[in-house]
Amino acid sequence: GENVEQHPSTLSVQEGDSAVIKCTYSDSASNYFPWYKQELGKRPQLIIDIRSNVGEKKDQRIAVTLNKTAKHFSLHITETQPEDSAVYFCAASGGGGADGLTFGKGTHLIIQP
Amino acid sequence: SAVISQKPSRDICQRGTSLTIQCQVDSQVTMMFWYRQQPGQSLTLIATANQGSEATYESGFVIDKFPISRPNLTFSTLTVSNMSPEDSSIYLCSVGQGANEQFFGPGTRLTVL
Repeated sequence: GENVEQHPSTLSVQEGDSAVIKCTYSDSASNYFPWYKQELGKRPQLIIDIRSNVGEKKDQRIAVTLNKTAKHFSLHITETQPEDSAVYFCAASGGGGADGLTFGKGTHLIIQP
Repeated sequence: SAVISQKPSRDICQRGTSLTIQCQVDSQVTMMFWYRQQPGQSLTLIATANQGSEATYESGFVIDKFPISRPNLTFSTLTVSNMSPEDSSIYLCSVGQGANEQFFGPGTRLTVL
């Protein structure tokens, strides 16, 4: 089955700086890669996603890039703000026609004032 | 996106008992899934709840322990059977919308004593 690795486990950046979180996946058949933000005590929220026929997608301060050959994808947050502090999860699906998500272990993003 | 509710929001149960968690969506959806999130951990897919047929379980999860019902396109239940303290987790349902997007319910926080 699919295996998703996520790094780093904790990331501390100064407010206003950029943050990058990286994930790799194992199943070359996976074709959908979402990112979720989870604040303490709340449900995961879908913030951006990318499909395997696209190399990059942007939505305001967040962007995701995908390298299918290397089987890795990354989340980029620019101009970080205190409200960006949360746990971020990457995920993958689509391998073998399955739609369920395989998640990475998560990155705790801390924005330092 | 669809409005997803879960009942109960939390419960404390004795070992050896069973708890049924309900997931209700305000519109018809094709795909419904159940995930588990152990304290401080990532999300793990338990099963895909198929309408009109048996659920599809992931490796490590079995129907006798986690029976699932999906009587229609807006409702599903997950039962955690013969509980032990290791079953203490947050249980989340998610629904598939659009091409691949999944949105999560608020979760059920289960503590087993």
